[in-house]
Amino acid sequence: QSVLTQPPSASGTPGQRVTISCSGSSSNIGSNTVNWYQQVPGTAPKLLIYYNNQRPSGVPDRFSDSKSGTSASLAISGLQSEDEADYYCAAWDDSLNGVVFGGGTKLTVL
Amino acid sequence: EVQVVESGGGLVQPGGSLRLSCASTGFTFSSYWMTWVRQAPGKGLEWVANINQDVSAKYYVDSVKGRFTISRDNAKNSLYLQMNSLRAEDTAVYYCAKVGYFGWNFDYWGQGTLVTVSS
Repeated sequence: QSVLTQPPSASGTPGQRVTISCSGSSSNIGSNTVNWYQQVPGTAPKLLIYYNNQRPSGVPDRFSDSKSGTSASLAISGLQSEDEADYYCAAWDDSLNGVVFGGGTKLTVL
Repeated sequence: EVQVVESGGGLVQPGGSLRLSCASTGFTFSSYWMTWVRQAPGKGLEWVANINQDVSAKYYVDSVKGRFTISRDNAKNSLYLQMNSLRAEDTAVYYCAKVGYFGWNFDYWGQGTLVTVSS
């Protein structure tokens, strides 16, 4: 049981906009920034979004995030086949004194 | 180019010990927090431990407290994870990652090293 809650799966067709939710509590998302990671099966995770919608170099602006209270969302616009991967949210938790991850969402591009 | 490369994984019996290493290049190692994250087969990511630049602060997930020890050698640009009293549930790919400056993001990851705890 993960501290942050994500839907196990999401899907969309090429060109569509999809969102992935991440629900937490006041001790994590409610008081700290959320980071998002992308993991293509068989490879290491990659930082996708960090610190209030910042994107590392090389990550296209089709990826964006938002936060409201104790929930966050990752949005992917103009969906492409290469976006098929697992997506994880994460945040520092003040009560646990550690980083907590969501359980991951498997994105399928139909 | 930033690179982190893990080593030291393998098969170990329950109750045994293993020491993972992570060699880092391409950045000023001594200026950053570092972290270990693991992923059990077919499961999601789980943060394991963090260590600060001068080793004055370490944090662990509850399930490894008292059994795992994170350490670093800034002269060797290396991060370590000493794992004792290993259990079957510790079986996972262990990733080393550099911690970015903002919001506890893990901005560079290694390829991971597999630890299998089994008799």
